[in-house]
Amino acid sequence: GAGVSQSPRYKVAKRGQDVALRCDPISGHVSLFWYQQALGQGPEFLTYFQNEAQLDKSGLPSDRFFAERPEGSVSTLKIQRTQQEDSAVYLCASSSRQEGNSPLHFGNGTRLTVT
Amino acid sequence: RKEVEQDPGPFNVPEGATVAFNCTYSNSASQSFFWYRQDCRKEPKLLMSVYSSGNEDGRFTAQLNRASQYISLLIRDSKLSDSATYLCVVNEAGRRALTFGSGTRLQVQP
Repeated sequence: GAGVSQSPRYKVAKRGQDVALRCDPISGHVSLFWYQQALGQGPEFLTYFQNEAQLDKSGLPSDRFFAERPEGSVSTLKIQRTQQEDSAVYLCASSSRQEGNSPLHFGNGTRLTVT
Repeated sequence: RKEVEQDPGPFNVPEGATVAFNCTYSNSASQSFFWYRQDCRKEPKLLMSVYSSGNEDGRFTAQLNRASQYISLLIRDSKLSDSATYLCVVNEAGRRALTFGSGTRLQVQP
């Protein structure tokens, strides 16, 4: 499996629960991104890592959202005290280069439903 | 105003037709431009980069107009398999993240 892997594929959470979403990027990719995609919308940027450093978290919608990539490979996006508006597909993408013009390779996402 | 704007469609066209999508972006400092394709309930995938001089990849032609801040995608001889959502994507200078439009949905009909 050479692609970006995300788990779980589907997650149903009751409002107020905490969730953790996992991303395994392509081996050796230094750049890792998290995006949120609501139904009928394009992906919205959440945060970016270069290796283990979180260089941009300007897209995180609130302090309930937290992401980490402690060893520069696997990343986890955590959402605390989930709300209904958090329901969306969470996409992880990785890239082999640091330049802004390098293509992103997306995982197939985690579909989060908050009830 | 959104940073990247697209007509959501849907564009319903017969097989063999030529169809064009436009996209406008608001940040004149934007440096890199792309079209991604997203099939229903799938992840986005890079279709093609967009270069200043315009570029072609088979039946697909992309063009960039920096003065007017718009990007276009032309698809010739549409196939049923071209049915998807086409996402216009922009990268701003000094920023690593890509900014996506909401997408234009294309439905090619037999």
